[in-house]
Amino acid sequence: KAGVTQTPRYLIKTRGQQVTLSCSPISGHRSVSWYQQTPGQGLQFLFEYFSETQRNKGNFPGRFSGRQFSNSRSEMNVSTLELGDSALYLCASSFQIPGTSGGPRDTQYFGPGTRLTVL
Amino acid sequence: AQSVTQPDIHITVSEGASLELRCNYSYGATPYLFWYVQSPGQGLQLLLKYFSGDTLVQGIKGFEAEFKRSQSSFNLRKPSVHWSDAAEYFCAVGINYGGSQGNLIFGKGTKLSVKP
Repeated sequence: KAGVTQTPRYLIKTRGQQVTLSCSPISGHRSVSWYQQTPGQGLQFLFEYFSETQRNKGNFPGRFSGRQFSNSRSEMNVSTLELGDSALYLCASSFQIPGTSGGPRDTQYFGPGTRLTVL
Repeated sequence: AQSVTQPDIHITVSEGASLELRCNYSYGATPYLFWYVQSPGQGLQLLLKYFSGDTLVQGIKGFEAEFKRSQSSFNLRKPSVHWSDAAEYFCAVGINYGGSQGNLIFGKGTKLSVKP
């Protein structure tokens, strides 16, 4: 079974621009989460989607947004880029289903990430 | 507040030596615990996970971890390290996991170097 895929793998943007990153989950997974990884702050949760609905959001400004499509693919968008947005953006998918108790199916599997550099 | 602490930023061990990476968590409810490994420029690979049951968990690549509720710890171990184990290791706790929502709180990571 193919893993989580993310495109593009590398991006270079300038301050003030906007960017869209894409994530395709493992087949059958309907939950997608996004994380930002920086040397200073480490890995931080951005948001989580299930069935096209945002279920959970981390402590990030409104410039960071996302969405999920009916095929479970997800995109995240960052508007008005700042230098501090330079990071590795990781997407994870799981088989998590709302209304069910937690268990191993909720394990998150990560993609290779998109390296965003803001100049 | 929920948190994960990995006290060791960088560890160097000799190839063939044993390894223990420490992880302590702070979380009020029953924790779901994970160890992930990241090679340079790569994403995170799941090594092992603990949800319930046996407190000694076996993972891939010969790793194991032991959940100790009394110590709020979930340390990762390997009896004999290989040069290919050099990477960064992250401990994580699942928050509100299952059902309505869930996200991971990560530690800052421990970078492992392996001496020949």
